[in-house]
Amino acid sequence: EIVLTQSPGTLSLSPGERATLSCRASQSVSSTYLAWYQQKPGQAPRLLIYGASSRATGIPDRFSGSGSGTDFTLTISRLEPKDFAVYYCQQYVSSPLTFGGGTKVEIK
Amino acid sequence: QVQLVESGGGVVQPGRSLRLSCAASGFTFSGYAMHWVRQAPGKGLEWVAIISYDGTYIYHADSVKGRFTISRDNSKNTLYLQMSSLRTEDTAVYSCAREQWRALDIWGQGTMVTVSS
Repeated sequence: EIVLTQSPGTLSLSPGERATLSCRASQSVSSTYLAWYQQKPGQAPRLLIYGASSRATGIPDRFSGSGSGTDFTLTISRLEPKDFAVYYCQQYVSSPLTFGGGTKVEIK
Repeated sequence: QVQLVESGGGVVQPGRSLRLSCAASGFTFSGYAMHWVRQAPGKGLEWVAIISYDGTYIYHADSVKGRFTISRDNSKNTLYLQMSSLRTEDTAVYSCAREQWRALDIWGQGTMVTVSS
């Protein structure tokens, strides 16, 4: 099973700042199989990024994904108030699909 | 519009069974693999199971293997999760999700399952 470790656990930032979220895999993951989600309280997760760097439908370009091998990054270029949420990375090289533990982006 | 709607959750005693359903609409259900994912209160996302578009490939997480069974009826555009021998640690919101690009692009709002005596 591929274990994903997200850091930091919590990121305290102000609107307009840049957010950099990390996801590290326990073994190499093809970028094709790495995704990122946003989840707000009481809501279902929303797919942001698939294939490590491709934005899902309707996702604004302030969200970007990068990385390869075991290290992946989600960057939010300029935080807007609606971006404060929990973010998860996910891999699906083969079953079992796994999620990281999440990074909470909170208002400083 | 593309939509997934779960049902069947509720309060159940430990050791009992429950069947969840996920009704799909707005897309060709039979063309997609489908997943169940759960989230315990205040916790992160935990993947539960996958079923291929035609039901020929099925895989369950170790935490539910032998107790839960994923299935689908493409004629009814419905995904199922049969849960048996339920434990208190199975308490969670259970969501179904569509797979695309090796990611989960469409999610339902979830149905709450509470296992308690």
